[in-house]
Amino acid sequence: NAGVTQTPKFQVLKTGQSMTLQCAQDMNHEYMSWYRQDPGMGLRLIHYSVGAGITDQGEVPNGYNVSRSTTEDFPLRLLSAAPSQTSVYFCASRRGGFRTGGPNTEAFFGQGTRLTVV
Amino acid sequence: QQQVKQSPQSLIVQKGGISIINCAYENTAFDYFPWYQQFPGKGPALLIAIRPDVSEKKEGRFTISFNKSAKQFSLHIMDSQPGDSATYFCAASKGSSGSARQLTFGSGTQLTVLP
Repeated sequence: NAGVTQTPKFQVLKTGQSMTLQCAQDMNHEYMSWYRQDPGMGLRLIHYSVGAGITDQGEVPNGYNVSRSTTEDFPLRLLSAAPSQTSVYFCASRRGGFRTGGPNTEAFFGQGTRLTVV
Repeated sequence: QQQVKQSPQSLIVQKGGISIINCAYENTAFDYFPWYQQFPGKGPALLIAIRPDVSEKKEGRFTISFNKSAKQFSLHIMDSQPGDSATYFCAASKGSSGSARQLTFGSGTQLTVLP
């Protein structure tokens, strides 16, 4: 199994350009999410999905769109890139979608996409 | 509002020493506390996790100590090795009626173990 696969690994964008970060998982996980990692700030949740056709906003959603048409794929779209979106982006997945109570199951992360907006 | 505060930001330890990373949380509804380990160029990976009904959990050289009354938990790495050099994140999550659980991460600690 490949786990969680992110593409591309590196990307440089000009301000105002748009692009899509790809994320795919082959573990049949219901829950998928996108985080951004910035120095000294840990990982912050951008958007998440509890299953195909269902998405919701996280802590820092502005400037990003997501969709979930299949269980496997969860792309993140930057509509009009800004320098403030320079970051390392991680996609993660785990079993369990719309559940209440009980501990999280393990979250599996991709290797990240390093994005620079100039 | 930072719900999980992590310290120190960086830590340098000699080989064979004990590495200690501390986290404090504010929301008493948190009921699951994992630690993630991240090597350069890689995504975070689950290292060890604890629930608040126990005060300590040990897995090999890694131990989580949990103090519910103080709302603090810490990661202890015994006999630290150069291969443990990585960034460590504490996290917390809580159940929420009608909504999926989310992980709230600390700011991370960059651990360097000197040979």
